[in-house]
Amino acid sequence: DAGVIQSPRHEVTEMGQEVTLRCKPISGHNSLFWYRQTMMRGLELLIYFNNNVPIDDSGMPEDRFSAKMPNASFSTLKIQPSEPRDSAVYFCASSRPTDIAKQFFGPGTRLTVL
Amino acid sequence: GENVEQHPSTLSVQEGDSAVIKCTYSDSASNYFPWYKQELGKRPQLIIDIRSNVGEKKDQRIAVTLNKTAKHFSLHITETQPEDSAVYFCAASYNNDMRFGAGTRLTVKP
Repeated sequence: DAGVIQSPRHEVTEMGQEVTLRCKPISGHNSLFWYRQTMMRGLELLIYFNNNVPIDDSGMPEDRFSAKMPNASFSTLKIQPSEPRDSAVYFCASSRPTDIAKQFFGPGTRLTVL
Repeated sequence: GENVEQHPSTLSVQEGDSAVIKCTYSDSASNYFPWYKQELGKRPQLIIDIRSNVGEKKDQRIAVTLNKTAKHFSLHITETQPEDSAVYFCAASYNNDMRFGAGTRLTVKP
């Protein structure tokens, strides 16, 4: 069984550009989480979905960030416009309906905004 | 909201010794406490977890203890090996809202 899949694995962009990060959860998992990891702030929960519906987006830093989950097998995290302080590793995680709290992480996307 | 504190931030032990990492949490409603291991450049991987109705759980060389009254939980690694070297994160969760500690960088010297 494939784990959580994220793309791209690395992204380098210039300030002001739009960035879209993608995630495919583990098949059968119905909860999906987006995290950001930096040295300064550690691992932060940005938003999570349950059955494709956003449940808590209080961790989204500002309006430049948006996330969608159009179906059970795909989610995006978009930053528009991007800024250098958005540079971080962004992880997606998913969990199954019978054990929502137990989250499995994807490999992450390392984002660098110049 | 939940606040998780983790200590120490760095820990260096000799191969074969034990390592203990401690975390405290603030929200008494938290009921799930996982531990993740993250190697350099890799994803966090779940290594063990404990729920609030259990005081202790063990899996080979790894054990976790939970004191709900004091709101703290600990990770114990016995007979450490160089491949245990990584950053370890504790977390506390309630209703899918997971908060992570700042991490402990464990170095096991051969």
